[in-house]
Amino acid sequence: DAKTTQPNSMESNEEEPVHLPCNHSTISGTDYIHWYRQLPSQGPEYVIHGLTSNVNNRMASLAIAEDRKSSTLILHRATLRDAAVYYCILRDLGDDKIIFGKGTRLHILP
Amino acid sequence: DTEVTQTPKHLVMGMTNKKSLKCEQHMGHRAMYWYKQKAKKPPELMFVYSYEKLSINESVPSRFSPECPNSSLLNLHLHALQPEDSALYLCASSQVIGARGYNEQFFGPGTRLTVL
Repeated sequence: DAKTTQPNSMESNEEEPVHLPCNHSTISGTDYIHWYRQLPSQGPEYVIHGLTSNVNNRMASLAIAEDRKSSTLILHRATLRDAAVYYCILRDLGDDKIIFGKGTRLHILP
Repeated sequence: DTEVTQTPKHLVMGMTNKKSLKCEQHMGHRAMYWYKQKAKKPPELMFVYSYEKLSINESVPSRFSPECPNSSLLNLHLHALQPEDSALYLCASSQVIGARGYNEQFFGPGTRLTVL
């Protein structure tokens, strides 16, 4: 499985944008980039996914580098509720598995 | 209903006990998963069921025995566990595997298991 590298932790101020980076230099052409997050005392939840183009949804935006070797999850206006561990995951087309890496623990300062 | 429910929320058991964890979803998903998560670590996949049949077993010890009695239910039977098996056990479900690389997994809140 292609691996991802994320910073262990990040801090951001409430109501400011947050950019969470992910490196995946060994990504294959059929790997989708998925992001999940895990709020305290909860199971993980899906955030967003993409293949080549940037993606937006109600929760976040995903910016994918042109060579696809890195991506950035963007939370446009962080709230205290966004404090969580964010996982960047590569999944091949039709792959059953989610292999979680260590993720980034995001702290939001009031 | 986009919820995956898990019971019990907490479970304490001795090493000689037999217990079961239960997971339920009513989203019509035909793939279901068990994960194990130790404290401060990412979840680790244990088992995958597709159409009620076991499709992936990630070399899990036989003291963990999964069962999928129907498309809405997933059980994990526990027997002769060790203290190091204490962890959060997460269940998830998704649409049929293989659909265009997008099959969002919906996770339950987990069962926190303590083995004494």
